[in-house]
Amino acid sequence: DTGVSQNPRHKITKRGQNVTFRCDPISEHNRLYWYRQTLGQGPEFLTYFQNEAQLEKSRLLSDRFSAERPKGSFSTLEIQRTEQGDSAMYLCASSLPGYNSPLHFGNGTRLTVT
Amino acid sequence: RKEVEQDPGPFNVPEGATVAFNCTYSNSASQSFFWYRQDCRKEPKLLMSVYSSGNEDGRFTAQLNRASQYISLLIRDSKLSDSATYLCVAGDSGGYQKVTFGTGTKLQVIP
Repeated sequence: DTGVSQNPRHKITKRGQNVTFRCDPISEHNRLYWYRQTLGQGPEFLTYFQNEAQLEKSRLLSDRFSAERPKGSFSTLEIQRTEQGDSAMYLCASSLPGYNSPLHFGNGTRLTVT
Repeated sequence: RKEVEQDPGPFNVPEGATVAFNCTYSNSASQSFFWYRQDCRKEPKLLMSVYSSGNEDGRFTAQLNRASQYISLLIRDSKLSDSATYLCVAGDSGGYQKVTFGTGTKLQVIP
């Protein structure tokens, strides 16, 4: 399977715990995006990487959120001291360079904070 | 004002009907446009890109009106399997390609 892969698919955690999600993009895609989606809403942009450089970070992302893409391949999104409001689907997408390149999404990681 | 706005619906249409969705975008620098389809609790999947001259893919037709900053999607001969949420997407042409999604329009095709 050469699509975008995300792990884990589901994560249930207690408030205050730290969680980390992983995304493996399509191998030739140098752009990688993280989005968050809650019920009834469209995906909301969190952050963007071009190769290993994090070029943009949404104001939605508090200091508790951090993302890395150390070698320009896979990426991780960490949430520290989780809160109930962090419960959402976290989506990763990748694309080729060029403004007409569509995003290809992974299956997402569904986070539930209890 | 949201950067990409859509009527959330739901649009309930009978099988075989034609249905159209509109979407407006506020960033005049937007250069790329797409429609995505999202099934319940699944990831968004690309339905089609939207080109300046308009484009068609089977029963689906997309149009772009840059002057009025809106995009449309027309679905002809609706099938039950078309039931989903349709997300309108706009991307800008800057060095960082900001890609913004609308909230989606829910379509329910009824037998």
